[in-house]
Amino acid sequence: KAGVTQTPRYLIKTRGQQVTLSCSPISGHRSVSWYQQTPGQGLQFLFEYFSETQRNKGNFPGRFSGRQFSNSRSEMNVSTLELGDSALYLCASSFQGAHEQYFGPGTRLTVT
Amino acid sequence: DQQVKQNSPSLSVQEGRISILNCDYTNSMFDYFLWYKKYPAEGPTFLISISSIKDKNEDGRFTVFLNKSAKHLSLHIVPSQPGDSAVYFCAASEASSNTGKLIFGQGTTLQVKP
Repeated sequence: KAGVTQTPRYLIKTRGQQVTLSCSPISGHRSVSWYQQTPGQGLQFLFEYFSETQRNKGNFPGRFSGRQFSNSRSEMNVSTLELGDSALYLCASSFQGAHEQYFGPGTRLTVT
Repeated sequence: DQQVKQNSPSLSVQEGRISILNCDYTNSMFDYFLWYKKYPAEGPTFLISISSIKDKNEDGRFTVFLNKSAKHLSLHIVPSQPGDSAVYFCAASEASSNTGKLIFGQGTTLQVKP
């Protein structure tokens, strides 16, 4: 069974720009969660989508948004990028969300 | 407010010995706990989990213990191998709420010396 895939793997953007990251979950998984990993804050939950609906949201500003498509693929968008948004963005999929989540390799975003 | 804490940033053990990684939590609503291993430039890999209705779960060399009264869990790796060298994260969730929100600790870097 193929694992979670994320594209792109690396991205360099300039302050003020916006970015869209993509995540394809494991086949059959309906829940996709997004996390931000930074050296100072560790792994922080951004939001979770289940059956195209945002089911939970972490403590991040509205510049961070996401969506999920009918095939369970998910995208997250960050608008008006700030230097502090530089991080590894990880998505994880699970069958229903509440238990084991399986992570993709992440997208390394650098904002200059 | 850090709800899940791993107080030891690093741990070094000799190959073949036991590695014990610890994790504390403060939220009594957490009812499902997981351990992940992470290598640089990769996503976390799921290792083992435990529900709050149990106090122990084993999977090969990995055993997780849960002490609900102390709000403490630990991961035991026996015997430790050099390939176990990685960052280990514990995570917790309110599984009964059925949402995919995991709260992670800050991680412990394990080094297993040959």
